[in-house]
Amino acid sequence: DAGVIQSPRHEVTEMGQEVTLRCKPISGHNSLFWYRQTMMRGLELLIYFNNNVPIDDSGMPEDRFSAKMPNASFSTLKIQPSEPRDSAVYFCASNLPTDSLGYTFGSGTRLTVV
Amino acid sequence: GNSVTQMEGPVTLSEEAFLTINCTYTATGYPSLFWYVQYPGEGLQLLLKATKADDKGSNKGFEATYRKETTSFHLEKGSVQVSDSAVYFCALSEGSQGNLIFGKGTKLSVKP
Repeated sequence: DAGVIQSPRHEVTEMGQEVTLRCKPISGHNSLFWYRQTMMRGLELLIYFNNNVPIDDSGMPEDRFSAKMPNASFSTLKIQPSEPRDSAVYFCASNLPTDSLGYTFGSGTRLTVV
Repeated sequence: GNSVTQMEGPVTLSEEAFLTINCTYTATGYPSLFWYVQYPGEGLQLLLKATKADDKGSNKGFEATYRKETTSFHLEKGSVQVSDSAVYFCALSEGSQGNLIFGKGTKLSVKP
């Protein structure tokens, strides 16, 4: 298995532009998580899905952020409009709903908003 | 609610030194406990885990023991290498979904 695949690896965009981050979870994993990592706040859970359904989006910072999971093999995190304070590394992770296995993380998308 | 507290870094050690990174947790019930490692420019990787009290997780020379009486899961390694330089995250799982609660991470730098 190729693991959790995120794209793009790096994204530089101008303030006000729409940004879409993509994630392909491991086949068979039915939970998917989006995290944001910054020096100031560390690792923050933004939203997670179970069986493609959003379960908890309380970590999504503002209405500018939205996430979808149209099927079991694909999810997007969209920021519209983007702002410089959104600059961070965004990670996607997936797992099976048995807590002993932990998560598998993607390599992340480093977003820079200028 | 559930939470994880890690010692603050950064931690700087010389090669072959002994490593301890402290982790304590607050949880209802009996969570599983994890250590993840993040190498520069990469995502987090599972390093080791323990699913019940007194279990010892181990991998790549690292060990951690699930101590229910002290609610701790300290990470140890007897002799660190330069290649161990990374950020280490302690985490616990909660709920039937197994969602992870992470600590803030501890950066380790090992000098030759």
